[in-house]
Amino acid sequence: DTQMTQSPSSLSASVGDRVTITCRASQDISGYLNWYQLRPGKAPQRLIYGATSLHGTVSSRFSGSESGTEFTLTISSLQPEDVATYYCQQSYDFPWTFGQGTKVEIK
Amino acid sequence: QIHLQESGPGLVKPSETLSLTCTVSGWSVSADYWNWIRQPAGAGLEWMGRIYPPGTTYIHPSLQSRLTMSLDKSKNQISLRLTSVTAADTGFYFCARGSTNSFDIWGLGTMVTVSS
Repeated sequence: DTQMTQSPSSLSASVGDRVTITCRASQDISGYLNWYQLRPGKAPQRLIYGATSLHGTVSSRFSGSESGTEFTLTISSLQPEDVATYYCQQSYDFPWTFGQGTKVEIK
Repeated sequence: QIHLQESGPGLVKPSETLSLTCTVSGWSVSADYWNWIRQPAGAGLEWMGRIYPPGTTYIHPSLQSRLTMSLDKSKNQISLRLTSVTAADTGFYFCARGSTNSFDIWGLGTMVTVSS
């Protein structure tokens, strides 16, 4: 299975801060990388697909980038509604696998 | 607007079978592929498998001996059946639509507890 190593496992930042979350794949996944946001009581939300494409209804303060097997989710200006757990997921080969998640809190 | 809603028993006894349903509204289950994803208690997300019309499935290798998925076009539903459950199967279960090699629309999820 392709292993996805996500870091950090949690972070605390101030409103307005730039936040970055990293996900590293155990092999080349050719950009088949997606990011999701999970908030309690809400349906999970796809943020980014194909490493860099923004889901249509998602705020443009979210962006994704890739460099080889390393992928990054960036929140350009953290907002209170961004408090959530974020997961990366590879769809290059079966079984599709997720990273361990990053819990984002407001300082 | 596309809406997915999971439903199930909430509580299942060890060694019994868990059955869940995902009802889709605003979209036909015949038009895409559909996934089950779970979040075991205190853990991260795990993709369980997917089904696409007319009923072809791919099941996670770790669940192949216990998991079946089905699709009912007349009810616009997807179903999951997991046999011989244990406490390790306790958690939140989500259905999600597959699109562009990702899960673009999710349900709210349903909590399942395995306990006697």
